[in-house]
Amino acid sequence: EVQLVESGGGLVQPGESLRLSCAASGFTFSGYWMHWVRQAPGKGLVWVSRINPDGFITNYADSVQGRFTISRDNAKNTLYLQMNSLRAEDTAVYYCARDLIYNLPDYWGQGTLVTVSS
Amino acid sequence: QSALTQPPSASGSPGQSVTISCTGSSSDVGGYNYVAWYQQHLGKAPKLIIYEVSKRPSGVPDRFSGSKSGNTASLTVSGLQAEDEADYYCCSFTGNNKALFGGGTRLAVL
Repeated sequence: EVQLVESGGGLVQPGESLRLSCAASGFTFSGYWMHWVRQAPGKGLVWVSRINPDGFITNYADSVQGRFTISRDNAKNTLYLQMNSLRAEDTAVYYCARDLIYNLPDYWGQGTLVTVSS
Repeated sequence: QSALTQPPSASGSPGQSVTISCTGSSSDVGGYNYVAWYQQHLGKAPKLIIYEVSKRPSGVPDRFSGSKSGNTASLTVSGLQAEDEADYYCCSFTGNNKALFGGGTRLAVL
């Protein structure tokens, strides 16, 4: 059974940093592109970033480019999202998701809430 | 990049059919057959129900179907059931190697 479990969310002040983790199991993690997708409270889904299986190709939404960094450790079956210079508008539930094909995720974690507020 | 355009709400009675649209551009929906639909119940993670415009993952009822014409993709839910009440999101691959979601449609089963 495919499982994705996010962790690392919490309350931070504007300008601070946070690192999210996503532990994967039930599939060959090193063979898949992975994504981060976020959802602000009461709002829709927004794609954030993706990374290729070996970690050398990454893409970002314009809104996080230069502030967020996606990475992975295939030995630990774990996906990461380093978030720097956080803003109030980054407040959201962050989901990690496995890619099925061409940036269409199939399996999703349950999400971790990030709140940016002073 | 702006979200794909979906109607904010849709509704139907049990047993009826409802169609939700998702409009983009030639750089996303119209340019690729990589469009997916997700169902999200309140407080839950999204669930994939349609991928590559019209394919259904294993376990998804055939009451859910997808199609595309030009820059607009559509999700049809036939034989509406109470458990279909949820938010629905479309998603498309984009030409700059990113993904774009729609704003979401809240489906009410009256």
